[in-house]
Amino acid sequence: DAKTTQPTSMDCAEGRAANLPCNHSTISGNEYVYWYRQIHSQGPQYIIHGLKNNETNEMASLIITEDRKSSTLILPHATLRDTAVYYCIVRVARNNAGNMLTFGGGTRLMVKP
Amino acid sequence: DTAVSQTPKYLVTQMGNDKSIKCEQNLGHDTMYWYKQDSKKFLKIMFSYNNKELIINETVPNRFSPKSPDKAHLNLHINSLELGDSAVYFCASSQAGEAFFGQGTRLTVV
Repeated sequence: DAKTTQPTSMDCAEGRAANLPCNHSTISGNEYVYWYRQIHSQGPQYIIHGLKNNETNEMASLIITEDRKSSTLILPHATLRDTAVYYCIVRVARNNAGNMLTFGGGTRLMVKP
Repeated sequence: DTAVSQTPKYLVTQMGNDKSIKCEQNLGHDTMYWYKQDSKKFLKIMFSYNNKELIINETVPNRFSPKSPDKAHLNLHINSLELGDSAVYFCASSQAGEAFFGQGTRLTVV
């Protein structure tokens, strides 16, 4: 699975959009971009994933560049409860036990009042 | 109704003891995992099971033995606990795509 690079930490004002970048310059054509987050003392939580098109769900939007070498997770109106570590993971979607996730250091997002 | 549940949530035990952590998922997924999160907060895969069969076993001491009585359960048994085993252990399940994680078991070895 391709390696990802994320900033170690970011701050965001409550109510503003949080834009979390991720570089994955070695991504392969069949690899997806997944985002998870881990709120303090909880298990990781799935947010969104995409292959090449931009994606949006009730939690966030995922913008993937045309060359697929980077992406941005957007939380449109960050709240204090969005304070967490956000992980960008690139991997092939499989239908067997190879679905394991390889976590990096992630980005620690601090949403401030 | 919790999708992936682990018990216990906290476990404090002495060095040398044997302990088990239980995990159950009610999502009907075929694949279950154990991850370890150490004090530096890095999450690492330990084991992966698919339909009760071990598929992935990362570099984990053989004191750790996963057991899957059925595809809804994946328990983790640890023999001869050491101080370095102190960590938070997460169980997860997936079918394809997204994985669902339990709330973790904080193991402290004293």
